[in-house]
Amino acid sequence: GGIITQTPKFLIGQEGQKLTLKCQQNFNHDTMYWYRQDSGKGLRLIYYSITENDLQKGDLSEGYDASREKKSSFSLTVTSAQKNEMAVFLCASSDGGTNQAPLFGEGTRLSVL
Amino acid sequence: AEKVIQVWSTASRQEGEELTLDCSYETSQVLYHLFWYKHLLSGEMVFLIRQTSSSTAKERSGRYSVVFQKSLKSISLIISALQPDDSGKYFCALWEKGTNAHKVIFGKGTHLHVLP
Repeated sequence: GGIITQTPKFLIGQEGQKLTLKCQQNFNHDTMYWYRQDSGKGLRLIYYSITENDLQKGDLSEGYDASREKKSSFSLTVTSAQKNEMAVFLCASSDGGTNQAPLFGEGTRLSVL
Repeated sequence: AEKVIQVWSTASRQEGEELTLDCSYETSQVLYHLFWYKHLLSGEMVFLIRQTSSSTAKERSGRYSVVFQKSLKSISLIISALQPDDSGKYFCALWEKGTNAHKVIFGKGTHLHVLP
């Protein structure tokens, strides 16, 4: 079986700091996603990528950049961390075929001081 | 407007009972999939079950089953014989075939507490 690995698991940043979250998958999936989960707001799509070097904006892309330099990896950058921000960032991948159910990593928990 | 709506933010049941979690959705596509996930306290997001729009089969996976009411754009997750480990947050999600065919949209989730 495959796995989706997100690093780091916990990230503490300062206001205004640029922060990068990384995600690796070994399923050989074409499509990868970044979601943000806030309490009471469910999962909101930030960016997704349907193949290497492709980037598509989700509903919450403002304030973020993403990079898909390899099929197996998808990174997300918070361009300027907001004070007291707390959220969980979830990376997922899918085969883009008939199954379509994304499989998720364990998340990166962000806290901004 | 929200495309995936989970009305109940929290639910509580006793161990051994059965629970139904409701989800409604909006789509104009003929082909779509609906998924249910469970988010654990550990952070893991576990895929539970899938319903395809074109299927009339009553999907089931272990203690999980769904009731799909296509004309009402409703899908309910039924969890039978609840156990304390079933506690967690349950998400409904929608994938549509169309111009945004790779987007998967999630509802806000329902927290389930199973009491021993």
